[in-house]
Amino acid sequence: GQQVMQIPQYQHVQEGEDFTTYCNSSTTLSNIQWYKQRPGGHPVFLIQLVKSGEVKKQKRLTFQFGEAKKNSSLHITATQTTDVGTYFCAGVSGTYKYIFGTGTRLKVLA
Amino acid sequence: GAGVSQSPSNKVTEKGKDVELRCDPISGHTALYWYRQRLGQGLEFLIYFQGNSAPDKSGLPSDRFSAERTGESVSTLTIQRTQQEDSAVYLCASSLDIRVGGYTFGSGTRLTVV
Repeated sequence: GQQVMQIPQYQHVQEGEDFTTYCNSSTTLSNIQWYKQRPGGHPVFLIQLVKSGEVKKQKRLTFQFGEAKKNSSLHITATQTTDVGTYFCAGVSGTYKYIFGTGTRLKVLA
Repeated sequence: GAGVSQSPSNKVTEKGKDVELRCDPISGHTALYWYRQRLGQGLEFLIYFQGNSAPDKSGLPSDRFSAERTGESVSTLTIQRTQQEDSAVYLCASSLDIRVGGYTFGSGTRLTVV
């Protein structure tokens, strides 16, 4: 079945450093979504990417969908302590069954 | 409502008992999803509804799990004869339309089976 892996599993950065998490699917995706989950909270929708090679920006966050629509990345520029949390990608192929990635837990050291 | 509401927020039950978890999606949202999240883990897909229909039930872990949705609104997830491995946070999410991205999650029900 469809699998979605994320790397790294954990990332500790100093405040002000950049951060990137990568998402890789075993199958071609129709679209991909990104969510952020703060410690003790529930996932919050960040963005959806649909087109091959699509790049979208939200302030310090840059999201990219690969040309083959099998991978995606989230890059945060100049991290802040408010960026702490776990970032999940969620992809769907064929049906509307969104499969979540394994997540990347980000810690930002002040 | 303003957001996705789940109840109860916490549930402690004895092994072997049945539990019902409730999800009230945002009014007018036709798509509804159930996920399970074990401590420190990712989200495990359980089932989704398009209206009152569940086209894909493949994520339900066993026949002890069932879900229904009525009136294109409230959904209940029922776990029969609970086991300790059922302990997790059960999250519900809804969206205006299944083809529209961006699901709003509820705060979840934390289920503990003792």
